[in-house]
Amino acid sequence: EVQLVESGGGLVQPGGSLRLSCAASGFTFSSYDMHWVRQATGKGLEWVSAIGTAGDPYYPGSVKGRFTISRENAKNSLYLQMNSLRAGDTAVYYCARRSGGYSSGYYYYYMDVWGKGTTVTVSS
Amino acid sequence: QPVLTQSSSASASLGSSVKLTCTLSSGHSSYIIAWHQQQPGKAPRYLMKLEGSGSYNKGSGVPDRFSGSSSGADRYLTISNLQSEDEADYYCETWDSNTHVVFGGGTKLTVL
Repeated sequence: EVQLVESGGGLVQPGGSLRLSCAASGFTFSSYDMHWVRQATGKGLEWVSAIGTAGDPYYPGSVKGRFTISRENAKNSLYLQMNSLRAGDTAVYYCARRSGGYSSGYYYYYMDVWGKGTTVTVSS
Repeated sequence: QPVLTQSSSASASLGSSVKLTCTLSSGHSSYIIAWHQQQPGKAPRYLMKLEGSGSYNKGSGVPDRFSGSSSGADRYLTISNLQSEDEADYYCETWDSNTHVVFGGGTKLTVL
């Protein structure tokens, strides 16, 4: 069974750090790009970061310079190091697998497997 | 970069059908999108990938009641024979080389 299990969430003070982990199973982890997506209570989904199979990272402006995504293929694991945390980072954090293909002259990608999430609360 | 626009809410009666819309912004009408379902208190679940041609591929275990279609910049998710468990938030997603992942704002579906 294809599965993603996040861990590492918790309560942290503003300015603090936290490291999230995502354990993958049931598929060849090293062959897939991976994402982190977050969702604040009552809000929509927000993309947080992505990492390619070669370890190339991507971030939106809201977390660039504060968050670092990494992976350890030998352990089938994805990580998110979060520094300088703010109240606005409070959310459920999901890891997701990226799939994609090529059609009509361009590449496309989408998330096809989601974990259950881990909750991060930034508060004093 | 692409913007995905969804109605904030929709409602339909138990056993009926509903068609949810995700509209791609100008210049991006050919983009492929994905639909995701998020039941209350749960993680998102991938439903299907949907092309501009209307061709779609569903995820494992997604019921036959779920189907996709397209018209121009609009991408549709149709749910037939609505069940109570279909009450959920539905998000569309696409990808762009500059902005990477883009989500729509989500549609909250209420089953009456």
